[in-house]
Amino acid sequence: QITLKESGPTLVKPTQTLTLTCFFSGFSLTTSGVGVGWIRQPPGKALEWLALIYWDDDKRYSPSLKSRLTITKDISKNQVVLTMTNMDPVDTATYYCAVFSTVFIGFDPWGQGTLVTVSS
Amino acid sequence: DIVMTQTPLSSPVTLGQPASISCRSSQSLVHSDGNTYLSWLQQRPGQPPRLLIYKISNRFSGVPDRFSGSGAGTDFTLKISRVEAEDVGVYYCMQATQFPLTFGGGTKVEI
Repeated sequence: QITLKESGPTLVKPTQTLTLTCFFSGFSLTTSGVGVGWIRQPPGKALEWLALIYWDDDKRYSPSLKSRLTITKDISKNQVVLTMTNMDPVDTATYYCAVFSTVFIGFDPWGQGTLVTVSS
Repeated sequence: DIVMTQTPLSSPVTLGQPASISCRSSQSLVHSDGNTYLSWLQQRPGQPPRLLIYKISNRFSGVPDRFSGSGAGTDFTLKISRVEAEDVGVYYCMQATQFPLTFGGGTKVEI
């Protein structure tokens, strides 16, 4: 069974850097065709893709946020980390990590998500 | 970026009756490899999204056969043949043909 869980601060101040960790189990990020992505959802709004890291360490970012994002993986710890710099209140959202498969080209399963509020 | 536009924004449905959601992309979703990477996700209230349909019409593992996807090029449809109470939630289309990956704005299905 594949599971993912997001972890990180629930409250950050404007201009601070957000670091989120996705802890996963039930699969290996060394398996060909597998990736882990980050997606966010502001309260009551739609989903927005942020970043994706593949088994071969190829990384993709949303162009609108690329300058602020870094995605990395730690195979030994089964973790994927997303950092986002210069946080702003508009970045308040639930942040999800999810498995991306190059077989069906989609995200599943997803973690439960973590709500991050940006406020002074 | 490819813009995904869903209609309607909200869809009141009757239990046991069909429902249909449309998704239109701002450009063709046909990939250079010949596949079309359009998927549908369901987000029940208070839950994370889950994958329902991938590559236009392929039901993901465990998805009931009352869900079906169709379409081509830039126009796609998700249909629920007979709505059940557990189908209440927001449905999103997503394209993965081209980076950045983009989602539609969502369609709320409510009884």
